[in-house]
Amino acid sequence: ETGVTQSPTHLIKTRGQQVTLRCSSQSGHNTVSWYQQALGQGPQFIFQYYREEENGRGNFPPRFSGLQFPNYSSELNVNALELDDSALYLCASSSQQGALTGELFFGEGSRLTVL
Amino acid sequence: SQQGEEDPQALSIQEGENATMNCSYKTSINNLQWYRQNSGRGLVHLILIRSNEREKHSGRLRVTLDTSKKSSSLLITASRAADTASYFCATAKAAGNKLTFGGGTRVLVKP
Repeated sequence: ETGVTQSPTHLIKTRGQQVTLRCSSQSGHNTVSWYQQALGQGPQFIFQYYREEENGRGNFPPRFSGLQFPNYSSELNVNALELDDSALYLCASSSQQGALTGELFFGEGSRLTVL
Repeated sequence: SQQGEEDPQALSIQEGENATMNCSYKTSINNLQWYRQNSGRGLVHLILIRSNEREKHSGRLRVTLDTSKKSSSLLITASRAADTASYFCATAKAAGNKLTFGGGTRVLVKP
């Protein structure tokens, strides 16, 4: 049990809709990263938040956006959903100490299906 | 794009045997990590090896790193049915930086 919780666990949307995924980081962790994992592939980095500021972004279009709140929880928002956005979205948190070691603690993910 | 490439893509072994999987990457790194994922669930951190380390052990896990060849290997000794999972290597160019994952090795341990 890592302590990172994500919601919802599963959801189905249609093309063009918008979705918000939520993540509560492990207690004491101030850094949150989001990853997209397509079926049968490895996770791909979307972006990272540290103390409510975006701190690095992967190769994802601007319709992928995020927020981090003062309690270090985070949201991932995706606008204008496309079929290829169907994937498992993983949230990972790390502490300031973890930022030095590099170890991430992952949640169980939110599986998004876009029809 | 994915930096790491795991080999083999899939591996089937009997309980008690050793499982070895390899990872190659393309650019310089600060550290390399291995994660396990059970059936499309969250990833669990297994072990981290820094670029100045060559070998590391944790329980039944042994990881090696060869920065001259830009490759790493993960050995699971005396495998158990519970080791059935996908294993991913991930590299970081800097500590605390984003992780770049490979495509994973799917391991099946038959009882």
